[in-house]
Amino acid sequence: DTEVTQTPKHLVMGMTNKKSLKCEQHMGHRAMYWYKQKAKKPPELMFVYSYEKLSINESVPSRFSPECPNSSLLNLHLHALQPEDSALYLCASSQELMGGRVDTQYFGPGTRLTVL
Amino acid sequence: GENVEQHPSTLSVQEGDSAVIKCTYSDSASNYFPWYKQELGKGPQLIIDIRSNVGEKKDQRIAVTLNKTAKHFSLHITETQPEDSAVYFCAAPGSSASKIIFGSGTRLSIRP
Repeated sequence: DTEVTQTPKHLVMGMTNKKSLKCEQHMGHRAMYWYKQKAKKPPELMFVYSYEKLSINESVPSRFSPECPNSSLLNLHLHALQPEDSALYLCASSQELMGGRVDTQYFGPGTRLTVL
Repeated sequence: GENVEQHPSTLSVQEGDSAVIKCTYSDSASNYFPWYKQELGKGPQLIIDIRSNVGEKKDQRIAVTLNKTAKHFSLHITETQPEDSAVYFCAAPGSSASKIIFGSGTRLSIRP
């Protein structure tokens, strides 16, 4: 099973709202990722967690706050977003990050976020 | 850092014909090259990948070839079917094991 699940599928929020995106995997993967994808563009990396610790933040604005409560779950907390943050937010996971070997990343279906 | 270029940006082929998408990369140390298919409203799905110790890999109608000397790799889809219509992304490792860098994508349309 190579399934990564994400909730909600769609989210509409105002610029003053606080919301959270959730991601879950049960493949025993120890690396989890958040990507942002605008229309007709490739996914852009936002954050990487390795063994539940934040290992990469691609200079993402602080209005996006990631959290990894355990090895199966990844959250993205949203606060005071801007309309230009509207996009598809993708979660991915891979086995682990070690020794420079790149492991296959498996993506979830994404959350379509609209900021009004 | 790694740079991945992908061509063409759009491709239309007759059902039953073959489709070829090409990517080039810049870092000669890159050793892993996945291909993802993204259908409308869905996340990218891995369809095939290749590591640098082999030159070709096949999975039914899909194959990937790798030319390490020229630093390019290609996706080949034979006997195309309507369900092959999607956006395809190639990728290569970035500056660390955590990162993969995506190509700009190819929108493949299969004409009936």
